[in-house]
Amino acid sequence: QSVLTQPPSVSGAPGQRVTISCTGSSSNIGAGYDVHWYQQLPGTAPKLLIYGNINRPSGVPDRFSGSKSGTSASLAITGLQAEDEADYYCQLYDSSLSGWVFGGGTKLTVL
Amino acid sequence: QVQLVQSGAEVKKPGASVKVSCKASGYTFTGYYMHWVRRAPGQGLEWMGWINPNTGGTNYAQNFQGRVTMTRDTSISTAYMELSRLRSDDTAVYYCARASGVGTNLHFYYYLDVWGKGTMVNVSS
Repeated sequence: QSVLTQPPSVSGAPGQRVTISCTGSSSNIGAGYDVHWYQQLPGTAPKLLIYGNINRPSGVPDRFSGSKSGTSASLAITGLQAEDEADYYCQLYDSSLSGWVFGGGTKLTVL
Repeated sequence: QVQLVQSGAEVKKPGASVKVSCKASGYTFTGYYMHWVRRAPGQGLEWMGWINPNTGGTNYAQNFQGRVTMTRDTSISTAYMELSRLRSDDTAVYYCARASGVGTNLHFYYYLDVWGKGTMVNVSS
C-alpha cells in the first residue's frame, strides 16, 4: 500500500475531461516536494507525462496538465482519446521513507 | 539518440539471485543517476533505488535493503541491479530509468525521463 493514494480507476467518454488525484501527506506532497506523473500504456515502459507539478516534456500534448495544492496533486486530461487508455502514476520523494515513492496507479478507461 | 537497453528475460528458482543489466547510450553515463523500478503482475510501479554512476553511491528502498545491490561499469556505460534470495512475489518486469534534474540552488528536483523497455524476471519452482 503506497503512501500516495490514487483512485484505482477512472473512466470517460471520448472528448470528455477526467482528473486523477494523488493524495499524500506532510512527508511528501505537503512537504513541498515536486510531483511527477507517468503514463504506462499496456505492454510498454512508463513514459514521463508531467514533471515538476505542471511541466510537460516536449511531445506531450497540452491536453495533459498537472496541478498541486496542499497535500494533493491532480492530473487532468481533456479531449479524451482512445489512445489515452493506460495506467497513470504520480511519483515524488518522501522524507519519512528517505526515498522515492509511486502512487498506487490509476487505470483510465475510455468508454 | 538517448536510450537504455536492458538484458533479456530471466527465469529463476526461489532462493536464487538475478542480475539485470542496463546499457546507456546517447548521453554521458556518469552525468545522471540511474534508478530501478519494478512492476509485478496486477500491481503498480514500485521504486527500488538508485545508483550514482559517477561515484557508485547508492540509495535503496527500505523494502529491498539487504537483498538488492546496484552497481555500474563506467567503461561500458552499464548499470546493474542484482536481487538476491528471490521469492515468487519478486516475479515482475524490472525497469531502469535515467533521472534528470532541473531547478536552482534553492529548489531542485529529479524525475525519470528515459526508461528501458524492461526485463521480465519470473521466479518459479
